[in-house]
Amino acid sequence: KQEVTQIPAALSVPEGENLVLNCSFTDSAIYNLQWFRQDPGKGLTSLLLIQSSQREQTSGRLNASLDKSSGRSTLYIAASQPGDSATYLCAVRDTGANNLFFGTGTRLTVIP
Amino acid sequence: NAGVTQTPKFQVLKTGQSMTLQCAQDMNHNSMYWYRQDPGMGLRLIYYSASEGTTDKGEVPNGYNVSRLNKREFSLRLESAAPSQTSVYFCASSVRGGGRGTYGYTFGSGTRLTVV
Repeated sequence: KQEVTQIPAALSVPEGENLVLNCSFTDSAIYNLQWFRQDPGKGLTSLLLIQSSQREQTSGRLNASLDKSSGRSTLYIAASQPGDSATYLCAVRDTGANNLFFGTGTRLTVIP
Repeated sequence: NAGVTQTPKFQVLKTGQSMTLQCAQDMNHNSMYWYRQDPGMGLRLIYYSASEGTTDKGEVPNGYNVSRLNKREFSLRLESAAPSQTSVYFCASSVRGGGRGTYGYTFGSGTRLTVV
């Protein structure tokens, strides 16, 4: 069974800092990987989707990379803002599977 | 374009009561899913429907049933609620299931269920 791990579980940074969130997965036979944002008491908002054939995806201040062979993905957030404070979830879809395997998330706090 | 809509947003049940969580999507997606989210556990798949007319068990199906009413709607039923089913329930949809397709998932805003 695919296992997805996100480290650290929580992170606090001052506003303006660049930061990296990490995601690792145990089975490299993935179809794609998706990063989500979850605000307290809210649903999940999709941020970036990386197909298994891609190395990275960018959206605004966000950049997600994928190293399938090593089972790792990173989410880079540039020039962090207090509005970026949320929990960030990484989810992997295996080839031939009808499921997303989720990590437990990294809770990010950006201090003004 | 509402995306994925879940009702109700909050619900308190007594042990043994039954209820149905409703989910509808307006994106013409083929596949729909029900997840539960518990502290420290991440999201776990309860049931999914790869296409209209089909449903399959996910990782934690015990105590639940589902109905894919049509392409838009996918409901989750708790026949006899238990305190262990206290959780936040999310419905999601995607363009294709079965490990094919190139699109990601869209999630609803969730239903917070408490069983006392």
